[in-house]
Amino acid sequence: EVQLVESGGGLVQPGKSLELSCAASGFTFSDYYMAWVRQVPKKGLEWVATISTSGTTTYYPDSVRGRFTISRDNAKSSLYLQMNSLKSEDTATYYCARRVRNNYAHLAYWGQGTLVTVSS
Amino acid sequence: DIQMTQSPHSLSASLGETVSIECLASEGISNYVAWYQQKPGKSPQLLIYYVSSLQDGVPSRFSGSGSGTQFSLKISNMQPEDEGVYYCQQGYKYPLTFGSGTKLEIK
Repeated sequence: EVQLVESGGGLVQPGKSLELSCAASGFTFSDYYMAWVRQVPKKGLEWVATISTSGTTTYYPDSVRGRFTISRDNAKSSLYLQMNSLKSEDTATYYCARRVRNNYAHLAYWGQGTLVTVSS
Repeated sequence: DIQMTQSPHSLSASLGETVSIECLASEGISNYVAWYQQKPGKSPQLLIYYVSSLQDGVPSRFSGSGSGTQFSLKISNMQPEDEGVYYCQQGYKYPLTFGSGTKLEIK
């Protein structure tokens, strides 16, 4: 069974940093592109980052590019999101997700999410 | 960025009814559209990908269709567990983008 378990969320002040982690199990982690998606409470979904299988290629929307960094450790089956210079508008639940297949940028498996609150 | 315009914003349906949700892309996205269901307090669940491919374990009453810029999700024989918010998503070009969601309730 595919499982994705996020951790690292919490309350952080504007301008500070936070790192999220996602522990993956139930599949060969190194075979799949992975992504982070966020959701402002009671709002819609926003894609945050994607990383290739080897970690050499990453993608971001303009809203987080230069502030957020996605990375992975295939030996540990773990995905990370380093978030710097956090803003109040980054407040959201952050989900780790796995592609259904590598040639489709659609997300078949999602974690339970971890809440990040950016506030002074 | 590719905008995904979903309609309607909300709808209610009776048990056993067939409902459709539409998604209009601001430019052609080939067949790279997916549909997700999200229930309160839960993570999104993939229902359909690449226009019409049914994700493993998803009931066959869910189906997808469309091409180019216009896509739809059809739910046949509405069941109580189908209540939730539905999102479309394009996977054709970065940045990946989602529709704003359609809230489906039982009438």
